[in-house]
This record gives sequence, C-alpha cells and structure tokens, in this order.
Amino acid sequence: GAGVSQSPSNKVTEKGKDVELRCDPISGHTALYWYRQSLGQGLEFLIYFQGNSAPDKSGLPSDRFSAERTGGSVSTLTIQRTQQEDSAVYLCASSPQISPGQGMINEQFFGPGTRLTVL
Amino acid sequence: AQSVTQPDIHITVSEGASLELRCNYSYGATPYLFWYVQSPGQGLQLLLKYFSGDTLVQGIKGFEAEFKRSQSSFNLRKPSVHWSDAAEYFCAVGARGGATNKLIFGTGTLLAVQP
Repeated sequence: GAGVSQSPSNKVTEKGKDVELRCDPISGHTALYWYRQSLGQGLEFLIYFQGNSAPDKSGLPSDRFSAERTGGSVSTLTIQRTQQEDSAVYLCASSPQISPGQGMINEQFFGPGTRLTVL
Repeated sequence: AQSVTQPDIHITVSEGASLELRCNYSYGATPYLFWYVQSPGQGLQLLLKYFSGDTLVQGIKGFEAEFKRSQSSFNLRKPSVHWSDAAEYFCAVGARGGATNKLIFGTGTLLAVQP
C-alpha cells in the first residue's frame, strides 16, 4: 500500500517568507509526528498528533512554528517568517492506533521528507 | 530525561567484514528501542525494534541487535556487510506510558563500505 507522502520534496524560500509543508499519512494511521533533521543535529521531535488533537507540541522551537491536522488525516506544518536556521529536512511519520499512557508504542513509518532551504 | 548516544559519527568497514554500531540510552525504565536506516535522499526505514522478551532481536537485511539492560545499550550488528549497507543509521528510544509517543533519536552513525 501507499506509504507516507510529503510535499513538496524541496522548498527554497527567502528569509522572512512563510512556508507550508504537507504530510499525507498512511491511510488509517491515527498518530502523526513531525521531526526536523538538521545537519549534525540528528532528528528532533517537533509535534505529535493523535487524531486531530496535538497532545505533545513540546518540540516546536518557537511560536513561528505551528501545525494542524484536519479530518484525522493530512497535516500541514507552517513556518512563519522563516529564518536561515530553519533550513533542514522536515520528516513526517505516522503510526497505527495507539493508546497513550497505556504503555504501548507502535512503529513509526516515515515519509521521504521535505528539504527546506532558507536563503 | 531520555537521551540516546551514538558515539561513532562515522565508521568505515570493508565489504564482507562484520559490523557493530553502538547505541547507549538514558531512560528510567525499560524503554522501547529502535534502529532505523536512512539511505541518501530517502526517509527512514525501520531495521528492528525491541519492546520486551528476548533481548536479541532480528531485523531486516540480516541485522540484529542486543538489548543489555546492565549497560544501557542496544548495539546493532551484522556479520557480513554488503556495499548496499552504506547509509546512515539511527538508534531511537520511545517512552513507555507517557502522554506522547515521540521517539528520541541519536545523532546517527554514517557507515561507509569499502570494496
């Protein structure tokens, strides 16, 4: 079946512009995650959705970053007033139904990422 | 706080040689543990995972990993490396019982394979 898809695959923008990154999770997966992969930094967690709600936004680096998820499916990560330090690969992942706090965790399936370059 | 350390940033091995990639974690209880591989320009692919039970887990592509509680380690091994194994490898830990299911990743180990 289809995996996690992300668009665009590459985005070049000018400092100060807003950008929107899109993630289409695997059909039926209720959990969705955004991560950022910066050079030499590994992968940093940004935000976690369970359905349409986001119980964990602790990784968003500033209030310029926001994300939403509608219909329990597609998610959009928005970065306002982009800065050069926002340049990174933004990865989306999804996983099947899970009950937070129940001591369970599922494998996360990752998309190919969006490479963002801020000039 | 949870953390993952991959002490080797870059490793080069000869094709056919054995491989061991190190991973140490910090977590208050038994964590969920994962190894992912990322080929150039690709997303992350799960190699294997440890949730409970047998501490030696088998994964795809001939990889295995052993969970050692006493050493807080989850090292990845392969007895004979193939050129196609050249990639970046990430160890990750997931929390049990929390309100979030995020993964905490190490900084990765870049594997080069010499012919």
